[in-house]
Amino acid sequence: GAVVSQHPSWVICKSGTSVKIECRSLDFQATTMFWYRQFPKQSLMLMATSNEGSKATYEQGVEKDKFLINHASLTLSTLTVTSAHPEDSSFYICSAIGRVQETQYFGPGTRLLVL
Amino acid sequence: GENVEQHPSTLSVQEGDSAVIKCTYSDSASNYFPWYKQELGKRPQLIIDIRSNVGEKKDQRIAVTLNKTAKHFSLHITETQPEDSAVYFCAASISTGNQFYFGTGTSLTVIP
Repeated sequence: GAVVSQHPSWVICKSGTSVKIECRSLDFQATTMFWYRQFPKQSLMLMATSNEGSKATYEQGVEKDKFLINHASLTLSTLTVTSAHPEDSSFYICSAIGRVQETQYFGPGTRLLVL
Repeated sequence: GENVEQHPSTLSVQEGDSAVIKCTYSDSASNYFPWYKQELGKRPQLIIDIRSNVGEKKDQRIAVTLNKTAKHFSLHITETQPEDSAVYFCAASISTGNQFYFGTGTSLTVIP
């Protein structure tokens, strides 16, 4: 149990385009989802916390207009990188927790490359 | 806010030896401490966790100890195997539903 999926796993896009990443909890209802960014050989950096039905809470320094987060249902949260630029290239990972889970469970990550 | 420090950043051990990774935290309100293993390009996987009402927890070759007074916790891997090679992250949280504050990671290499 407690499986989290992400789609797509890989995305390559041109600079200036927008990219949407989906995070789904497959076998539980996720009351909270977290979005992280990870650079090579570095730790996970929390970008925002998303609660179902409410606006996401962004960490300091994360542009909310650039990284749009929507948590419309208890099983789906989306991260949209708007007007992507090469510096947005990174590994994006979500995690989710529900009412009965004892910890956060991570998705497999999405590797974004902006050309 | 919470600040989690992790040492060492890299660790090499011979197969069969033990490995110890240490973390310190700053917020005394933190009461949940998970450890994650991340292989290259993959998701972090929970390997063990401990809550502040427990001083030690063990699961086969893996153990975690917690010293609340000193605000530090450690991961112990015994009888290391090459498949233990990965990056390990510690984290601290005031509850499982709140955000995790991650350490900077330890790259463990087990030499056959």
